[in-house]
Amino acid sequence: DAGVIQSPRHEVTEMGQEVTLRCKPISGHNSLFWYRQTMMRGLELLIYFNNNVPIDDSGMPEDRFSAKMPNASFSTLKIQPSEPRDSAVYFCASSPGAGGAAGYTFGSGTRLTVV
Amino acid sequence: GNSVTQMEGPVTLSEEAFLTINCTYTATGYPSLFWYVQYPGEGLQLLLKATKADDKGSNKGFEATYRKETTSFHLEKGSVQVSDSAVYFCALDDYKLSFGAGTTVTVRA
Repeated sequence: DAGVIQSPRHEVTEMGQEVTLRCKPISGHNSLFWYRQTMMRGLELLIYFNNNVPIDDSGMPEDRFSAKMPNASFSTLKIQPSEPRDSAVYFCASSPGAGGAAGYTFGSGTRLTVV
Repeated sequence: GNSVTQMEGPVTLSEEAFLTINCTYTATGYPSLFWYVQYPGEGLQLLLKATKADDKGSNKGFEATYRKETTSFHLEKGSVQVSDSAVYFCALDDYKLSFGAGTTVTVRA
């Protein structure tokens, strides 16, 4: 298996532009998570899905952020409009089920820079 | 809510030194516990895990024991190498991973 695949690896955009980050989870995994990593706040959970349904989006910073999972093999995280404070590394992770005994696999991340 | 507190870094060691990174947790019930490692410029990799009290997770010479009495999951390695230089994260699972702040470890030759 190719693991969790994220794209793009790097994104540089201007303030006010829309940004879309993409994630393909491991086939057969039915839980998907979006995390954000910054120096100041560490790793924060933004949202997670179980069987394509958003379960907890309490970590989404504000209405500018939205996430979708239209099917079991694809998820997007969208920021519109983007701001410099959104600059961070965004990670996607997947898990075979709700609960961690089965383990979580992380993608390589998308490094977002908003100028 | 459930949370993890881990020892602040950075930690700088010489090769072959003993490494300990402290991690304590607060949780209702008995969640699974993890250590993840992040090498420079890379994503997070699972280093080891323990799913119940008294379990010992081990991998690549690293060990951690799930201690219910002290609500701890300290990471140890007896003899570190330069290649162990990375950021180490303790994490707790309650149907989603909650991470500690991370500890940066630098091993000098």
